[in-house]
Amino acid sequence: GAVVSQHPSWVICKSGTSVKIECRSLDFQATTMFWYRQFPKQSLMLMATSNEGSKATYEQGVEKDKFLINHASLTLSTLTVTSAHPEDSSFYICSARYPGGGRDTQYFGPGTRLTVL
Amino acid sequence: DAKTTQPPSMDCAEGRAANLPCNHSTISGNEYVYWYRQIHSQGPQYIIHGLKNNETNEMASLIITEDRKSSTLILPHATLRDTAVYYCIVRGNDMRFGAGTRLTVKP
Repeated sequence: GAVVSQHPSWVICKSGTSVKIECRSLDFQATTMFWYRQFPKQSLMLMATSNEGSKATYEQGVEKDKFLINHASLTLSTLTVTSAHPEDSSFYICSARYPGGGRDTQYFGPGTRLTVL
Repeated sequence: DAKTTQPPSMDCAEGRAANLPCNHSTISGNEYVYWYRQIHSQGPQYIIHGLKNNETNEMASLIITEDRKSSTLILPHATLRDTAVYYCIVRGNDMRFGAGTRLTVKP
């Protein structure tokens, strides 16, 4: 139980294009999902908190107009990187809060590796 | 969320117990201690969590000191597949990751 998937697992795009990453909770409903970014040899950095049916809350320094988050259902959140540039190349990881798992344990997806050329 | 301090790296012999320490001296009364690990180029994997009492599951044991200012994750019989970065997180409302401990299990 408590499986989170991401799609795609990797993507290569040209500079200036937009890329959408999907995060799904497969066997539970998640009112809250989180998006992280990880650069090589660094730890995970929280980008935003996504609540179903409401606007995402972004961490300081994360551009909300560049990283569009939509949490339209209890099992799906999407992150769209708009007008991607090479510096946006990173490992993007989502997590979903599992309700009732003891202080709401978060389960993580496998990550999406974005390379912007 | 309370800040945590972990050693940057540790080695462990295969088959031996791996004991990973974590200091969280500013933890507040309602904050849980969570442990995750990340194997290279994968998403973090949940290991265990606890509030006050020691906890054990099929993966590991978590020992929390009585004053809750530190904890130890124990992998009882480490295997090569346990080589990963281990993160100790004291959680309020969301998970914020520190640098973690890079555990290398050696044959």
